[in-house]
Amino acid sequence: DAKTTQPPSMDCAEGRAANLPCNHSTISGNEYVYWYRQIHSQGPQYIIHGLKNNETNEMASLIITEDRKSSTLILPHATLRDTAVYYCIVRARSTGANNLFFGTGTRLTVIP
Amino acid sequence: DAGVIQSPRHEVTEMGQEVTLRCKPISGHNSLFWYRQTMMRGLELLIYFNNNVPIDDSGMPEDRFSAKMPNASFSTLKIQPSEPRDSAVYFCASSTGRLLAYNEQFFGPGTRLTVL
Repeated sequence: DAKTTQPPSMDCAEGRAANLPCNHSTISGNEYVYWYRQIHSQGPQYIIHGLKNNETNEMASLIITEDRKSSTLILPHATLRDTAVYYCIVRARSTGANNLFFGTGTRLTVIP
Repeated sequence: DAGVIQSPRHEVTEMGQEVTLRCKPISGHNSLFWYRQTMMRGLELLIYFNNNVPIDDSGMPEDRFSAKMPNASFSTLKIQPSEPRDSAVYFCASSTGRLLAYNEQFFGPGTRLTVL
């Protein structure tokens, strides 16, 4: 599985967009980019995933560069409840996929 | 939708005692995962099941750990005997098991285990 690199921490003002970067320069053609987050004392929560096209759902947008070596998760209007650790995971989306390697993630703090 | 249900939410026990953690996956989900989270090692996959059958238990730390899934709506993770180093938060997660959807996992609230 391709490794990912994320900044350890970021701050964002409430109401502003939070842009969380992830580098995955060794990603292979069949690997997707997944984003999860973990709010303190809760289980991880799936956010979004993508292959090469930009994706958007009710929680966030995912922008993947054309060469697929990096991506950015965008929370368009961050709220205090978005304070969490965000994990970028690269994984083949195939049957039998098992171990989601969560790494250390980015700790996002949304500031009032 | 009740989500993934885990019990107990907190467990405090003494070294050497048997501990059983329980999980009810989301109805209709065919894949179930057990994870452990500690400050030192982060989130680790212990074992996962597909259609009630254990597929990969390579993450189970040692023979003291065992997991079962007797039916599609229930799984247990047992530690016998427990040791202080087993103290962690244990998460259960499930996914639909549909083709190409294994990585979209839904996690339970976790069981915080403390072994004294």
